[in-house]
Amino acid sequence: DTAVSQTPKYLVTQMGNDKSIKCEQNLGHDTMYWYKQDSKKFLKIMFSYNNKELIINETVPNRFSPKSPDKAHLNLHINSLELGDSAVYFCASSIRAGQETQYFGPGTRLLVL
Amino acid sequence: GIQVEQSPPDLILQEGANSTLRCNFSDSVNNLQWFHQNPWGQLINLFYIPSGTKQNGRLSATTVATERYSLLYISSSQTTDSGVYFCAVEGFGNEKLTFGTGTRLTIIP
Repeated sequence: DTAVSQTPKYLVTQMGNDKSIKCEQNLGHDTMYWYKQDSKKFLKIMFSYNNKELIINETVPNRFSPKSPDKAHLNLHINSLELGDSAVYFCASSIRAGQETQYFGPGTRLLVL
Repeated sequence: GIQVEQSPPDLILQEGANSTLRCNFSDSVNNLQWFHQNPWGQLINLFYIPSGTKQNGRLSATTVATERYSLLYISSSQTTDSGVYFCAVEGFGNEKLTFGTGTRLTIIP
């Protein structure tokens, strides 16, 4: 009965590859997010979707493309992976956008070699 | 954008001690949350507290919105309290959370 789940938990890949991370929430929330946590533990929002519509798109390279097939799922596809993409990627959800508690998934640890 | 500062950056305490973590922010907010990131990396929401005071067991939090700060109190610390504590805020008209740099808490048995 995990609230926000992500797959895979670990991802080790070579530079230049393309990879996807999947996120699912069973909380019935309308809004989902992707965050990146770097090696210094700094957390920064990347994208936010509300009812399958993109509402936040921070200055992220266009190699990163989110996709929300329905409001319970938010996937992140990364093209042409670079060393600097190594980080922990967290998915989160909230009832609606703004002024709401956010619930985080367990994170996906991406290592680009 | 809104700036969030947390202090202290690191805190090492003996089991049973009390602690106060501080979060200062640079503008008015309509959302403030405290999170605990445990040693396994999981982010747990502790409080949603844009203003006022809340308590949950040994933890409590107070946000003084007019003075732009929030405090997280941990009483009778346990080793399981170790980890990084993050404060995150959302400014008015800006539907995204900005995280502080965190306070790393280490509780020694």
